[in-house]
This record gives sequence, C-alpha cells and structure tokens, in this order.
Amino acid sequence: EDQVTQSPEALRLQEGESSSLNCSYTVSGLRGLFWYRQDPGKGPEFLFTLYSAGEEKEKERLKATLTKKESFLHITAPKPEDSATYLCAVPPTGNTPLVFGKGTRLSVIA
Amino acid sequence: KAGVTQTPRYLIKTRGQQVTLSCSPISGHRSVSWYQQTPGQGLQFLFEYFSETQRNKGNFPGRFSGRQFSNSRSEMNVSTLELGDSALYLCASSFLGAGTGEKLFFGSGTQLSVL
Repeated sequence: EDQVTQSPEALRLQEGESSSLNCSYTVSGLRGLFWYRQDPGKGPEFLFTLYSAGEEKEKERLKATLTKKESFLHITAPKPEDSATYLCAVPPTGNTPLVFGKGTRLSVIA
Repeated sequence: KAGVTQTPRYLIKTRGQQVTLSCSPISGHRSVSWYQQTPGQGLQFLFEYFSETQRNKGNFPGRFSGRQFSNSRSEMNVSTLELGDSALYLCASSFLGAGTGEKLFFGSGTQLSVL
C-alpha cells in the first residue's frame, strides 16, 4: 500500500516556465513531510520540512505548501540548475523510518 | 562539519559474492539508516541502527545485514549477491533517528553493480 505518491513522474520545463510538483500521502497523524532534492549519482539533499496544514516554506525559486492530504512544491521561473529529482517523504505512524515517494524527475531546458 | 561519508563509491561484484559497504555519519549523530535505491522501486528502507542497536528493519531478505560500532560508524553486508541487488545504496544519519520527524542527512551512496 503506497503511503506517498508523487506526480508527475517526469516534468520538462522551459527556463522561466513555472510549475508545481505534487506529493499526496495517506498516513494519519502527520509528523512532518519532507522534501529532498537529488542530483544524479548523489544522495538526496534536504530542502524543507512541513508540519501542519497551511504551512509554507520558501527557498530561492522553490516554495513548499502543505494541506491535510498533499503537499506541493512550486517552482517559480526555474533555471537549468534546478534540474534534479525531487523526492518527498513522510514518517508513518509510530517510530518507523521515512517512507519516500518515487520522485519527480525535473528537467529545465534553456 | 564533515558530512556523511560512504565508501567505496563504486563497486562491481559477481553473483554469489558478498560485499561490505561502510558509512561514517556526521559527528554526534547516533542514528544511521540504510536505503536501497533503484530506478523502478525508488528508495527502499533497509534498516536503522541507533547507538549500536538495530531499531528498525525493512522488508529485505536475511542476506542483507548491518551493524553499528561504538563510534556510530556503520557497515552493511550483502551475502550471496544476486543480479537484482544492483542499486545505489544510501546511508543517512541523524541525531534522534529516522522515525522521529527529524530530517536525515544522506551520503553520496555506493553504486553496486552485480554481474
């Protein structure tokens, strides 16, 4: 049973073309939703943690938002260096480790 | 502060062999988690060690094992390698642990190829 689902699987944007990535989750009693960025051949790099519905966090061209059922990662005026796979993850109930979605592979073309 | 260090970076083995991967966490972090990443399955949790004790285990066969030393460094071992074990193996560290809502810091991974 998938607890974290990301869409789309892949996204190709022109430089400057804003868009959003989606992460939906089914765990109850959310204890945080994490966004990571992963470049090819490297480990995931932490971007944001969101804890409650309505919360928003920003970093450069990225803004993450959270509702009771999903999170969005908005990318405003992306640049080629934003090309990467973006992963979201949640800790299920209890003291269990993070469950990751399969990611959205973003390509930004100059 | 040094990040999470994984060695070796690349490894090529043949079926039936065994392999040991190493992970040095960020100084002061007591939790080390291991994940397997493949294109089809994404990141799959293997196990977590906290203060030398295995705290959680994922749904992997017994061929996958690990341990943690008193200095928090961790190793994972895969015995009797199969072709399907080819993957990027990632180690992540944190202070409190992977299930506490605390963010994880990942190493660059070990890319294992089984021929």
